[in-house]
Amino acid sequence: QQKVQQSPESLSVPEGGMASLNCTSSDRNFQYFWWYRQHSGEGPKALMSIFSDGDKKEGRFTAHLNKASLHVSLHIRDSQPSDSALYFCAASEQYNNNRIFFGDGTQLVVKP
Amino acid sequence: AQTIHQWPVAEIKAVGSPLSLGCTIKGKSSPNLYWYWQATGGTLQQLFYSITVGQVESVVQLNLSASRPKDDQFILSTEKLLLSHSGFYLCAWKDWGATYEQYFGPGTRLTVL
Repeated sequence: QQKVQQSPESLSVPEGGMASLNCTSSDRNFQYFWWYRQHSGEGPKALMSIFSDGDKKEGRFTAHLNKASLHVSLHIRDSQPSDSALYFCAASEQYNNNRIFFGDGTQLVVKP
Repeated sequence: AQTIHQWPVAEIKAVGSPLSLGCTIKGKSSPNLYWYWQATGGTLQQLFYSITVGQVESVVQLNLSASRPKDDQFILSTEKLLLSHSGFYLCAWKDWGATYEQYFGPGTRLTVL
């Protein structure tokens, strides 16, 4: 069973719009979450980490974590065509744990 | 600044042939290193990790092996490739700063025919 589930599988938003990506863990031990973005043919790059309940904002990106429901979301404001990529949620039991579990990803397309 | 290099960029190999993929980290002392496999458009499956020279932990059994011969080098290999080994192989190191995020290399595209 996949320990980290992401939804939707794919998402299309207009340029300037808001993109919302979701991630849920089936393992209550997972308390530390990251969002990564991967452009086609490249290695993933970290967007944000979130370890505490509530919101974390970095520029156009806002992550929200609810540990009670094991749900984390990523919201991209003012989406740009360059935001088109595969987005992964990753989780771990501890921030310094070497075992890290990735979701299946959400393919985001931002249409000009 | 830290840099991560993977080689080769791409490989086309025959089933049953051996394979060796490499990863080098520069500018980071004693990094924790990781190997991941990714099917096209798929999730990242962690394969191995290493916290020090000579020490490698296996996460999944995919008829692959890994070694860490130097502090800045991580090698992924197999003696006999399978069709299922095709995919994108990614090496990463972990930052022990505030975010504990992983930094990935550019990857190696492997096609097994």
